[in-house]
Formats: sequence, structure tokens, C-alpha cells
Amino acid sequence: GAVVSQHPSWVICKSGTSVKIECRSLDFQATTMFWYRQFPKQSLMLMATSNEGSKATYEQGVEKDKFLINHASLTLSTLTVTSAHPEDSSFYICSARKTSGGATDTQYFGPGTRLTVL
Amino acid sequence: RKEVEQDPGPFNVPEGATVAFNCTYSNSASQSFFWYRQDCRKEPKLLMSVYSSGNEDGRFTAQLNRASQYISLLIRDSKLSDSATYLCVVYSGGGADGLTFGKGTHLIIQP
Repeated sequence: GAVVSQHPSWVICKSGTSVKIECRSLDFQATTMFWYRQFPKQSLMLMATSNEGSKATYEQGVEKDKFLINHASLTLSTLTVTSAHPEDSSFYICSARKTSGGATDTQYFGPGTRLTVL
Repeated sequence: RKEVEQDPGPFNVPEGATVAFNCTYSNSASQSFFWYRQDCRKEPKLLMSVYSSGNEDGRFTAQLNRASQYISLLIRDSKLSDSATYLCVVYSGGGADGLTFGKGTHLIIQP
């Protein structure tokens, strides 16, 4: 399968600071990447769809000014949590869509980033 | 109504037993269906896609019932390493939409 990396794997920061998370597709190009968030014992919730070369599409209830997404290249998308607060503490997972040309494209997930805001 | 519903469990099953769990989805236009496995504090990993005709991969069998809008996963001869959370995932198309995840069913295989 394809490989998607995330960095950092975990981060602890003070309230009010900004945190940047990187998502890279290592062996394929991804025009579309997705950012998810998962709180304990909850399902993954899609936050936004990151499109290379254009603005991200945010899901309802997700503040675009707080969660800045940049998809500057076909292998890299970044999520910046601005002015992080304790309630932003969560497990952030990205996925990259690998286009196979078939009916169903496969999404490959990064290993996730565990964010703890003190 | 939630888009993808699963029994959260936990299902406590002795090693070697057969276990099955279902998932229901609300969007009748859903196109693709998957079972993912997620270990504690890890990312989800694709276990298998679910095809209309049903499909089998080793000890795992997945079935889709479009009329009733449910998906099932059967695990035979369960192993201790099967202990994980199994996520039912539905893709409804629409271009750049992501996947919709169920909350998962927690499975514990006991020795």
C-alpha cells in the first residue's frame, strides 16, 4: 500500500500558541487530502478537504480561520491550529487519496498527530 | 439519525470463536463501503472493501445489503491479534467528499 506520513506524531503546547501539522504522501501524488479529528471514544470526523492549488473545503462547524490548511504541493498538506485551546486537544489524522482511475479511489491514512493543549 | 451506526460493544469473544457485527447507513446513495481496523491510539487501516456480491479475505467475510442498508463483517477462528476497533466506513461520492466513519465496534478476543 501507499505511505502517508504525519509530523509531528505528538505535540504538547501552551494555550494560545499555534501548532502546524504536516501530512505527506511519500510514494504517490495526492491532489486531494483530508483532515480528520478524533476525540476519545468517538468516530473520526472530517474537518476539511484539502485540494492542491486551491482553497480547502471545510465541514460545517469547523472554523476555517482557526484551522488553516495549505496544500502547496501534490505531496504535502499542512494543518495549522491557531491559538490552540485545551478543547482543541485531540487526535488529528490526515489521509491522502490515491487516484487509481477506477470506480473507487483509495484513501491512505497518516499515523496521526496527538495534540495536547495545556 | 446518524449516518453510519454501529454497536460500540465491547464484544468479548473467546479465541477461536466466530464473531459478526453489523453496521447500518442512512444515505441510500452511498457508493462504496469499507471495514477499517483501528488499534488504540493508531490510525485506521483498511481491512477490506465491501462489494455487493460479498467478499472474503481469509478469515474475514464482508457482506452488503443495499435494500436494508447494512453491512456486515464476519471473523472466523478469531485470534488474539484481532482485538481492535472495527470501523464501518461509507463513501457517498460527490467529488472531494471524504469518508463517513461509524464510531466503531470494539472487539476483545480473550485467551
